Amino acid sequence: EAGVTQFPSHSVIEKGQTVTLRCDPISGHDNLYWYRRVMGKEIKFLLHFVKESKQDESGMPNNRFLAERTGGTYSTLKVQPAELEDSGVYFCASSQEDSLAEKLFFGSGTQLSVL
Amino acid sequence: GDSVTQMEGPVTLSEEAFLTINCTYTATGYPSLFWYVQYPGEGLQLLLKATKADDKGSNKGFEATYRKETTSFHLEKGSVQVSDSAVYFCALSPPSGGYQKVTFGTGTKLQVIP
Repeated sequence: EAGVTQFPSHSVIEKGQTVTLRCDPISGHDNLYWYRRVMGKEIKFLLHFVKESKQDESGMPNNRFLAERTGGTYSTLKVQPAELEDSGVYFCASSQEDSLAEKLFFGSGTQLSVL
Repeated sequence: GDSVTQMEGPVTLSEEAFLTINCTYTATGYPSLFWYVQYPGEGLQLLLKATKADDKGSNKGFEATYRKETTSFHLEKGSVQVSDSAVYFCALSPPSGGYQKVTFGTGTKLQVIP
């Protein structure tokens, strides 16, 4: 069974540019989450999809971030325009149930560097 | 709000050395506690968990005991191997569950040298 896949694995862009990150969850997982780890700090929740609906987007830092999950399969996270403080590792996770934290499956993350 | 504090790294140990990575937490009630591990080039994986006071989680030779009185969940391993080199994250979720409420620590990078 394929795991959670994220790409690109690395992205280097200049301030003001746009970047789109993609996450392919495990097949059949209705729940999809985005997390971010900035500058070696703690991993923080960004948002949660149930199928194609945003269940909770309280962790999104500002309106430069837009997440979508059309069709309830893969998800994209777009940053436009990117700022220096957006640099970090963006993790995606998926699960069948939204009830047990130990059922989360994480991708390997996208390392975003904004110069 | 909930928070997790873990020792800063990186931690460098020789093979077969004893490992302790400290983790303390602040939360209301009785949260569930976790250790996740991220090996190079891979995603986070659940290493072990404990869901109530005095529980001991264990996996792959790692152990951690849920200490309510000291609000701690320190990770230990008696004899580390080179393959244990990774970043370790302490985390908690409140009793009500829900992934959006998982709170992570800052991570501790462990390097084991032969």
